[in-house]
Amino acid sequence: NAGVTQTPKFRILKIGQSMTLQCTQDMNHNYMYWYRQDPGMGLKLIYYSVGAGITDKGEVPNGYNVSRSTTEDFPLRLELAAPSQTSVYFCASSPLGAGIQYFGAGTRLSVL
Amino acid sequence: GQQVMQIPQYQHVQEGEDFTTYCNSSTTLSNIQWYKQRPGGHPVFLIQLVKSGEVKKQKRLTFQFGEAKKNSSLHITATQTTDVGTYFCAGPGGSNSGYALNFGKGTSLLVTP
Repeated sequence: NAGVTQTPKFRILKIGQSMTLQCTQDMNHNYMYWYRQDPGMGLKLIYYSVGAGITDKGEVPNGYNVSRSTTEDFPLRLELAAPSQTSVYFCASSPLGAGIQYFGAGTRLSVL
Repeated sequence: GQQVMQIPQYQHVQEGEDFTTYCNSSTTLSNIQWYKQRPGGHPVFLIQLVKSGEVKKQKRLTFQFGEAKKNSSLHITATQTTDVGTYFCAGPGGSNSGYALNFGKGTSLLVTP
């Protein structure tokens, strides 16, 4: 059982480039989340999904986009990367609303 | 919106000393969860507290949920170097955020042998 898998683990982008962070879970969880973590801070919610075909904005959605075409996959798209998007990105899934969340290993992104 | 605050931000102890981190929410919580993140790692679930006044133990770790369900604490007895990491408390938001967790900023624990 792989759990939540994120790719890539590390990435360096130039300002203005775009990329997609991949997230896949094999636990058949309906709830999926994208968080970003900046040094010394907690995790901030970027986008969430309560099931396939349903997504919505979190606390810090600007500069990002998501899609949820299947239960398993929840990719995060960065358009026109900016230095402010340098962060560690975590994808998480949960079987229940307000339930335990299972995190992927994270993607460490630098925008230079 | 709901805010979750944790203190202290950092704690440096000698191995064998005790450690406590405190968590306070601006709103009443349906449950509170604790996660541990090792340096360079990802958050890993430790425990969930649901009932008012609940106390749960995991070996040397003791978790408490306040009577008003707005505060919580994590106490580690006789710390070990394996306890190093950042401990986060988190409370679920409402349906308007997909019940995403609102995390405190965490308490980073450093244990010196």
